Amino acid sequence: NAGVTQTPKFRVLKTGQSMTLLCAQDMNHEYMYWYRQDPGMGLRLIHYSVGEGTTAKGEVPDGYNVSRLKKQNFLLGLESAAPSQTSVYFCASSLGTSGVTYNEQFFGPGTRLTVL
Amino acid sequence: AQSVSQHNHHVILSEAASLELGCNYSYGGTVNLFWYVQYPGQHLQLLLKYFSGDPLVKGIKGFEAEFIKSKFSFNLRKPSVQWSDTAEYFCAVKPRSGTYKYIFGTGTRLKVLA
Repeated sequence: NAGVTQTPKFRVLKTGQSMTLLCAQDMNHEYMYWYRQDPGMGLRLIHYSVGEGTTAKGEVPDGYNVSRLKKQNFLLGLESAAPSQTSVYFCASSLGTSGVTYNEQFFGPGTRLTVL
Repeated sequence: AQSVSQHNHHVILSEAASLELGCNYSYGGTVNLFWYVQYPGQHLQLLLKYFSGDPLVKGIKGFEAEFIKSKFSFNLRKPSVQWSDTAEYFCAVKPRSGTYKYIFGTGTRLKVLA
């Protein structure tokens, strides 16, 4: 049981290049999330998904796109990278609704992205 | 708008000192509450969570937190910190209804001096 995995772990891009970050979870979780973490700003939600084939915007969606074609995978795409997208990106998943309670999020190890 | 405030951004303690990190949230409805820890270079890991019942919650590594509903607070405590507790700590809130989102505070960086 690997939990939440992310690839790649590190990446350096030039301005204008594109890339896709992959998040995979093997816990059969319904909900998946992409965050970016910047110093002093905590975690900011980029996009999230509450099920296969569904996605929704978070706080900071501009410049990013996502897809959830399979329940276990959640992809984050940068079509034209900008230096402002230099950050550490974390994927998280959670079980989803369970009556009136929600389970905690499980986080991946992160991807450190630098855009030059 | 819903928000989570962690007023202590940086805390420096000596080993064996007691720790209390503040967390306040703004949301009028029922919430689930979490504390996560992020060790240097690592991902966030759950320390403890509160859904209902006893407002004093015990977590891993000797941490505990108390939910005070009237104060919209969920402060994290540890009686005696160790050097290995050096990390960043995040408080998070999940409203029970109306949103799928978890709301995170900006984090508190704790440094424990040996």
